Formats: sequence, structure tokens, C-alpha cells
Amino acid sequence: IAGITQAPTSQILAAGRRMTLRCTQDMRHNAMYWYRQDLGLGLRLIHYSNTAGTTGKGEVPDGYSVSRANTDDFPLTLASAVPSQTSVYFCASSDSTGQGADTQYFGPGTRLTVL
Amino acid sequence: GQNIDQPTEMTATEGAIVQINCTYQTSGFNGLFWYQQHAGEAPTFLSYNVLDGLEEKGRFSSFLSRSKGYSYLLLKELQMKDSASYLCAVRDSNYQLIWGAGTKLIIKP
Repeated sequence: IAGITQAPTSQILAAGRRMTLRCTQDMRHNAMYWYRQDLGLGLRLIHYSNTAGTTGKGEVPDGYSVSRANTDDFPLTLASAVPSQTSVYFCASSDSTGQGADTQYFGPGTRLTVL
Repeated sequence: GQNIDQPTEMTATEGAIVQINCTYQTSGFNGLFWYQQHAGEAPTFLSYNVLDGLEEKGRFSSFLSRSKGYSYLLLKELQMKDSASYLCAVRDSNYQLIWGAGTKLIIKP
């Protein structure tokens, strides 16, 4: 693995179903993030984690949960999917928690459709 | 509220120069980022400005004026592969990135 991987690449899901989007990074970055990207809107932060064992809520956390059991993995769970959660989901990571440039690096994304 | 404004779409000619503007109103400022995103792909980092002035990186330059809440990305010697969306993002007082909706740049031969 090099960088950040996400799975699945795309998914069609029935409303009401539970779904976990996976994200793994091999850069040993402390911080990880989940964003959603919708047409005409900027990336919106769903949840973040500054270090393993801690998580925080972003701008649009409702309907989503995350966990950070170790440095590498940061799964995003939709407990009961709704059509408004149809979006492209990007996972990102950065080396620290905001000092200096602290550039965020993005995974390839998961395209989720909820019907 | 927090707001990042960019033009929705711009068109330019191969070989020319284009300037993409970004204005922002955020709670605090801890740096401004530009990312490039090709259709169907992930955003990739282009530049970071935290002090006023111009940062140059090859064909790409980024300018920041904190007093005016303004930045621009300058792309020189445009190539067809520069056709992409360009995202402006500001790190706020909570050290979270606030993103603009992006500017879709279309390059014509």
C-alpha cells in the first residue's frame, strides 16, 4: 500500500441499510478526516481524528459515526442510510494536528448511492 | 458564518495564463491552501500560503492578502492536462479546513 486506500470504490445501497466505508493509510499520519463532496458544494468535514483513540465531529456529523482504534484505520459507518447521504466520500490524512502546512492527503474516494 | 467564494467556471486557451480568485470570510486564519482535482479523482495539494505575498512553484503561483481576505492561483503556460477543478481552502481557528466549491477550469486548444 502507498498512501491512502478506500473501499469500496463505489456502492449502491438501499435506504435503511447499514454501511461501513473503509479507509487505511500507511504514512503513519496522526490525523485522519472524512469528507463528503456534493456537486456545487465544497468538501464538508464529517468527522475527524487528531490521533488514535480520539475522534471529533465536523460540520455534518449527523447520521455518521467513526472509530480510530489504531493509527492506520479510520472507518466511517452509516447506521441507517438515507438518500441524502448519496455523495462521494473522501478520506484524508495529515502528519500532525495543524502546525505548519500540515497538508492533507486524500484517498481515491468512495461513490455512494442510497436508493 | 464562514464563507469561501470562487468563480464556478473559467475558460482559457492552451499556452495562456489564467488567474483563479478566492475570497474568504472565516473565524480565524491559519493558512490557505490550493488543491487540484481532476474529474473523478481525489484532490491533490498544490500550494500553501500563510504569510502575505506570492509563492511560486514552477508554472503555478499563489498569492495571499490576509487584510483583504483574498488569494489567487496563477497558472502559466497552460497545458491541456491543467483542465481540472481548483479548490481553495482556509484553515480556521479550530484548525479545520473550510473549502470553497471549486473552480472548474476548461482549457481550449
